[in-house]
Amino acid sequence: NAGVTQTPKFRVLKTGQSMTLLCAQDMNHEYMYWYRQDPGMGLRLIHYSVGEGTTAKGEVPDGYNVSRLKKQNFLLGLESAAPSQTSVYFCASSYLDRAGDEQYFGPGTRLTVT
Amino acid sequence: SQKIEQNSEALNIQEGKTATLTCNYTNYSPAYLQWYRQDPGRGPVFLLLIRENEKEKRKERLKVTFDTTLKQSLFHITASQPADSATYLCALDDRGSTLGRLYFGRGTQLTVWP
Repeated sequence: NAGVTQTPKFRVLKTGQSMTLLCAQDMNHEYMYWYRQDPGMGLRLIHYSVGEGTTAKGEVPDGYNVSRLKKQNFLLGLESAAPSQTSVYFCASSYLDRAGDEQYFGPGTRLTVT
Repeated sequence: SQKIEQNSEALNIQEGKTATLTCNYTNYSPAYLQWYRQDPGRGPVFLLLIRENEKEKRKERLKVTFDTTLKQSLFHITASQPADSATYLCALDDRGSTLGRLYFGRGTQLTVWP
């Protein structure tokens, strides 16, 4: 049981480049989330998904797109990276059927945009 | 506006003492509140959940209280150890928001010195 995994762990991009971050979970969770964490800002929700084929915007969605084609995977895309997107990105997942269930986090992806 | 405030960004205490961390919220209506631990370079890990109708919850050396009148949660670590050194995040839901969505505080960095 790997839990939540994220690929890649580190990445350096030049301004304007694109990339996709992959999140996978093997716990059969309905809900999945993408957060970014910046010093002094805490965890901020970018996008989330309440089930396969559905996505919704979080607090800071601009500049990002997501897809949930399979229940176990949640992809976060940056179409044209900007230095302001330098951050640590965390994926998380949780159950749907019981309100209040904890979120399980991946190990994070450290992205630097130069 | 909505706010989640955790007491001082950093808390330093001596081994063996009780650490008390505070989480105050404004303009949220949570049904529950959660506490997470985050070590450097890693994703947050769930510790405890307390519901609005529960005054107190315990797990080993951890104790959480929840006062919906004061809009505050206290997180206590008794007999603290250097291994308890980490950043602790509080998170809560909000009625009227998507089921399962959490809002995080910025965290309190706890250092326990021998």
